[in-house]
Amino acid sequence: GEDVEQSLFLSVREGDSSVINCTYTDSSSTYLYWYKQEPGAGLQLLTYIFSNMDMKQDQRLTVLLNKKDKHLSLRIADTQTGDSAIYFCAEKPSYGKLTFGQGTILTVHP
Amino acid sequence: NAGVTQTPKFQVLKTGQSMTLQCAQDMNHEYMSWYRQDPGMGLRLIHYSVGAGITDQGEVPNGYNVSRSTTEDFPLRLLSAAPSQTSVYFCASSSPGGSSTDTQYFGPGTRLTVL
Repeated sequence: GEDVEQSLFLSVREGDSSVINCTYTDSSSTYLYWYKQEPGAGLQLLTYIFSNMDMKQDQRLTVLLNKKDKHLSLRIADTQTGDSAIYFCAEKPSYGKLTFGQGTILTVHP
Repeated sequence: NAGVTQTPKFQVLKTGQSMTLQCAQDMNHEYMSWYRQDPGMGLRLIHYSVGAGITDQGEVPNGYNVSRSTTEDFPLRLLSAAPSQTSVYFCASSSPGGSSTDTQYFGPGTRLTVL
């Protein structure tokens, strides 16, 4: 079945770049997503990438996709304390269900 | 648009009690789903629905029932609550596969404690 793996914790200093990694197993994944969850809140879609793309940039966010290795990463440039949250990677085939990773807790130190 | 709304925000139950978690969306989305979030386990799909009158089981359906009588509402029922059902529950909705992003919109969550 589908499986999505993420490391559980990442700690960075304010102003540095953060890189959150994710691996997935379903080769039929069509959509790959990054969600952000702030304390006590629901999930908010940050960005997404189609499986036929290698990279997508959106302001401070850069998503890289290595389809051969089934590896997805999210880079946050100039990380701020407001970026502290849980980040979820998720994958979805065209007409299937969304599968989430365990989430990476990002802590940004001043 | 209110998006996806969930009630209540918090609930405490005793073992064996029943209750219904409410979810509503005003985006005319056909696809709705319920997830539970537990520490270190991400989100796990409980039940989902691809349209009014159609529901199906997800990864962890035991102990939960759903129904979908309208496009807007997708309630989740706990028939006899157990401590293992202590969790944060999220409802989500999306337009069906084939749209440009096919993204899911999440409600704010219901934090349930079963004593």
